Amino acid sequence: ELKVEQNPLFLSMQEGKNYTIYCNYSTTSDRLYWYRQDPGKSLESLFVLLSNGAVKQEGRLMASLDTKARLSTLHITAAVHDLSATYFCAVHSHNAGGTSYGKLTFGQGTILTVHP
Amino acid sequence: GAGVSQSPRYKVTKRGQDVALRCDPISGHVSLYWYRQALGQGPEFLTYFNYEAQQDKSGLPNDRFSAERPEGSISTLTIQRTEQRDSAMYRCASSLVARRVYNEQFFGPGTRLTVL
Repeated sequence: ELKVEQNPLFLSMQEGKNYTIYCNYSTTSDRLYWYRQDPGKSLESLFVLLSNGAVKQEGRLMASLDTKARLSTLHITAAVHDLSATYFCAVHSHNAGGTSYGKLTFGQGTILTVHP
Repeated sequence: GAGVSQSPRYKVTKRGQDVALRCDPISGHVSLYWYRQALGQGPEFLTYFNYEAQQDKSGLPNDRFSAERPEGSISTLTIQRTEQRDSAMYRCASSLVARRVYNEQFFGPGTRLTVL
């Protein structure tokens, strides 16, 4: 059974600082996603990572994937208050029979709070 | 264009009642997914469809839960004889086609179910 673990679960940052959120998963996967969720809102897709060594950047966020280590990171550069949200990684899985390609298993989420 | 819509947004019901939750995916999206999200947790996969075919229902907790998508568009998640432990946010997502390599799931606003 695929397990996805994020750490830290809670992250309090000062504006202007850098930090990294880690996402470990237990079995091989071909896709990993990062989502953002604001309080009371739905999930917003941030990144899709497809291959080993993949790196994607959008603004102050950069995501990377190491499939051999089964690890993805979400790096935050020079944090600003607008980045305060909950961040989820989600790992795609499909069954051995090849009939199911749609399942995402999510991590617990990292609650990020950026202080002035 | 319009995103994924869900109705009702809030549903309060008494234990033992049946409820039906509706999802209207993004136009043209072939794959539709149902997730359940408990407070403070990541979404948990329930089931998914390609067109009208239910491809994977491995996440449905028990036989009180069922889902259908008869015409390959709108989907209904039905919970029979609701119990208090069914209280959660039920989220629907859709994507172009689950099997495509670069597949992104777009989430709806969710239905908050409260069972008294």
